[in-house]
Amino acid sequence: SQQGEEDPQALSIQEGENATMNCSYKTSINNLQWYRQNSGRGLVHLILIRSNEREKHSGRLRVTLDTSKKSSSLLITASRAADTASYFCATTSSQGGSEKLVFGKGTKLTVNP
Amino acid sequence: DTGVSQDPRHKITKRGQNVTFRCDPISEHNRLYWYRQTLGQGPEFLTYFQNEAQLEKSRLLSDRFSAERPKGSFSTLEIQRTEQGDSAMYLCASREGAIEKLFFGSGTQLSVL
Repeated sequence: SQQGEEDPQALSIQEGENATMNCSYKTSINNLQWYRQNSGRGLVHLILIRSNEREKHSGRLRVTLDTSKKSSSLLITASRAADTASYFCATTSSQGGSEKLVFGKGTKLTVNP
Repeated sequence: DTGVSQDPRHKITKRGQNVTFRCDPISEHNRLYWYRQTLGQGPEFLTYFQNEAQLEKSRLLSDRFSAERPKGSFSTLEIQRTEQGDSAMYLCASREGAIEKLFFGSGTQLSVL
């Protein structure tokens, strides 16, 4: 089963525009991570935000976390054609001591040049 | 290249055959994870190891699937009596104990005919 649900499922924008993707999850978490995946390849870690953090930045990426709403958003500013990929949120539950990372279904981002 | 290697990259097999995949994690990483991913979906957790101990296994994993990490280094995932529904990308990932982010390999694409 997948805990996270990304929204939208697909997003198409023009180069230079900002892209915002949202993620909702179900259980209490230790942290939330965002990964990107180019077609047919493995996933690459982008950023991690802990449950006691509300916002985090890394280069052109901005992540927010609202634990009361069980949701997170990923903002990519000034998008480039090379940002075209699928983006997944993933969570580690704070219950039960499990170390597994549970992924959502992803948002497929297309950045048109 | 994340440093996690998977072999083979592609595998085509006939229904009913057994297949085995190999994953070589980053050498100092003691956690190793296996995921399965179908088209348009996020990675689905299968199992993970801490050193040679298999600590968690998905309840969705049938008894046709088995994974090993005999010396706490490389890992193998075997699927016995393959079915068409096993067709998917099988992803391996590893991490250090104190660092939550996963490093993924490029995956093994399995096609069961």
